[in-house]
Amino acid sequence: GAGVSQSPSNKVTEKGKDVELRCDPISGHTALYWYRQSLGQGLEFLIYFQGNSAPDKSGLPSDRFSAERTGGSVSTLTIQRTQQEDSAVYLCASSYLGSGATADTQYFGPGTRLTVL
Amino acid sequence: AQSVTQLGSHVSVSEGALVLLRCNYSSSVPPYLFWYVQYPNQGLQLLLKYTSAATLVKGINGFEAEFKKSETSFHLTKPSAHMSDAAEYFCAVTPKGGGADGLTFGKGTHLIIQP
Repeated sequence: GAGVSQSPSNKVTEKGKDVELRCDPISGHTALYWYRQSLGQGLEFLIYFQGNSAPDKSGLPSDRFSAERTGGSVSTLTIQRTQQEDSAVYLCASSYLGSGATADTQYFGPGTRLTVL
Repeated sequence: AQSVTQLGSHVSVSEGALVLLRCNYSSSVPPYLFWYVQYPNQGLQLLLKYTSAATLVKGINGFEAEFKKSETSFHLTKPSAHMSDAAEYFCAVTPKGGGADGLTFGKGTHLIIQP
């Protein structure tokens, strides 16, 4: 079946512009995660969605970052007023996490490479 | 709090030799542990996971890992390296019962296979 898909695969933007990154999880997966991968910081967990519940935003790097998940499926990560330090690969993952379930395997998308000039 | 330490940012082995990639974790609660592989310009692919069943876990592509609680380790091994194993390998941990915590990753180990 189809895996996690992300778009765009590459995004080049100018400092100060807003960008939107999209993630389509595996059909039927209830949990969705965003991570950031950069040379200096490695892989960082950003935010997690479970079904339609409100996410815990404490892992987002700054208030310029926001994320939403519509209808418990597709998610969008938005970065406002981009800065050069936002340049990184943004990875999305999904998993099936039923009620009371413990951590399950996360399946990752190919990522979006963001370059801020 | 939890953390993962991968010893050696680069490991080089000859084709056909044993592969050993080291991972030590720190967790306040019994964790779940994972090894992921990343090929250039691709996402992360799960190699194997430990979820408190058997301590010796077998994964894809001939890899396996052993959970040793006394050593807080989860080292990845493969008896005989193949050229196609050249990639970046990440060890990750998450507390049991907590999807909301996401995965905490190590810094990664770049595996180089010498012909």
